[in-house]
Amino acid sequence: DAKTTQPNSMESNEEEPVHLPCNHSTISGTDYIHWYRQLPSQGPEYVIHGLTSNVNNRMASLAIAEDRKSSTLILHRATLRDAAVYYCILRKWGATNKLIFGTGTLLAVQP
Amino acid sequence: GAVVSQHPSRVICKSGTSVKIECRSLDFQATTMFWYRQFPKQSLMLMATSNEGSKATYEQGVEKDKFLINHASLTLSTLTVTSAHPEDSSFYICSARDQGGTSEAFFGQGTRLTVV
Repeated sequence: DAKTTQPNSMESNEEEPVHLPCNHSTISGTDYIHWYRQLPSQGPEYVIHGLTSNVNNRMASLAIAEDRKSSTLILHRATLRDAAVYYCILRKWGATNKLIFGTGTLLAVQP
Repeated sequence: GAVVSQHPSRVICKSGTSVKIECRSLDFQATTMFWYRQFPKQSLMLMATSNEGSKATYEQGVEKDKFLINHASLTLSTLTVTSAHPEDSSFYICSARDQGGTSEAFFGQGTRLTVV
């Protein structure tokens, strides 16, 4: 499985944008880029995913580099409830394909 | 949206006993579910893939006789930690994906197991 590299931790101020980077230089053509986040003492929750084009949803935006070797999760206005561990994961299409979690980025949001 | 429910959310058991954790997909069918374990301040580690009507597939290093998985229906998978020891104390999380839905995976709220 292709691996991802993320910073261990980042800090942001409330109501400011946050850009969470992820490197995946060995990504293959069939790998989708998924982002999940995990709040303390909870199971992870889906944030966003994409293949080649940038994606937007109500939670965040995903910017994917043209060569697909990196991506950035963008939270447009961080809130205290966005403090969590954010995981960038590569996954092939298919319901049986498993999600392998890396170490993720611990995002702290300061009031 | 789709929901995955785990039960119990917390359990304390004595060493040597067995504990069963249930994972249910509440409004969709899941032929495949996944079980993870997470130790404090660590990431999720995939333990096994649970397949409806067939044997589970375990990740390398996970003892299948210790962590029994049963996926008897399209909405229920169970993980039984047999002969539990204190080192089995952990946060156990299940996941499932709606076969007919989008690509996102849904996770249970997790089960905190403490073995004393």
